[in-house]
Amino acid sequence: KNEVEQSPQNLTAQEGEFITINCSYSVGISALHWLQQHPGGGIVSLFMLSSGKKKHGRLIATINIQEKHSSLHITASHPRDSAVYICAVSKGGSEKLVFGKGTKLTVNP
Amino acid sequence: NAGVMQNPRHLVRRRGQEARLRCSPMKGHSHVYWYRQLPEEGLKFMVYLQKENIIDESGMPKERFSAEFPKEGPSILRIQQVVRGDSAAYFCASSPQQDPSTDTQYFGPGTRLTVL
Repeated sequence: KNEVEQSPQNLTAQEGEFITINCSYSVGISALHWLQQHPGGGIVSLFMLSSGKKKHGRLIATINIQEKHSSLHITASHPRDSAVYICAVSKGGSEKLVFGKGTKLTVNP
Repeated sequence: NAGVMQNPRHLVRRRGQEARLRCSPMKGHSHVYWYRQLPEEGLKFMVYLQKENIIDESGMPKERFSAEFPKEGPSILRIQQVVRGDSAAYFCASSPQQDPSTDTQYFGPGTRLTVL
């Protein structure tokens, strides 16, 4: 079993819909990261969080340490949000990231 | 402030040749990480370096792969005698010299290696 599991694997939405992507992990962590990988392949760090909730524009990330679960929400989704969203964790005290397999999001106009 | 730079962006090699991938971290960053993304698979950690030191190479294949981050110049990931299974996207990331377990890592655009 992977240490980081994401769901769903693929997600198709209509423009304007509210999107939720889930991430569960099975190890102790220092931090959890949400990354975005565009069709061209580049990777952008969206959030790093170790507790609570963070918001940036239309993106919101939450984490529940007790339940070892995080969610990434996108409000008022747009076709330019189409990308692969990757959850990654820094295992306790370690600097290296362990990645989920990603969620491929397609937002149709 | 330029981001993390990687070159080349695309590299084609024949089986048995050497591949050299370069990564220049963001200005002021002294921690470099290399990750590999095989086709249809997730990202996997390879190696973590600081200037002139390999800190964690637990993700590196035991043979043919090596990495360095010299005092001057970019970090280099070297793959000797490449095989078709080495075809992948190789990403470099850097972070500042604070707490590497909780720092944001900034990713480069990646080098896509194709082995013919």
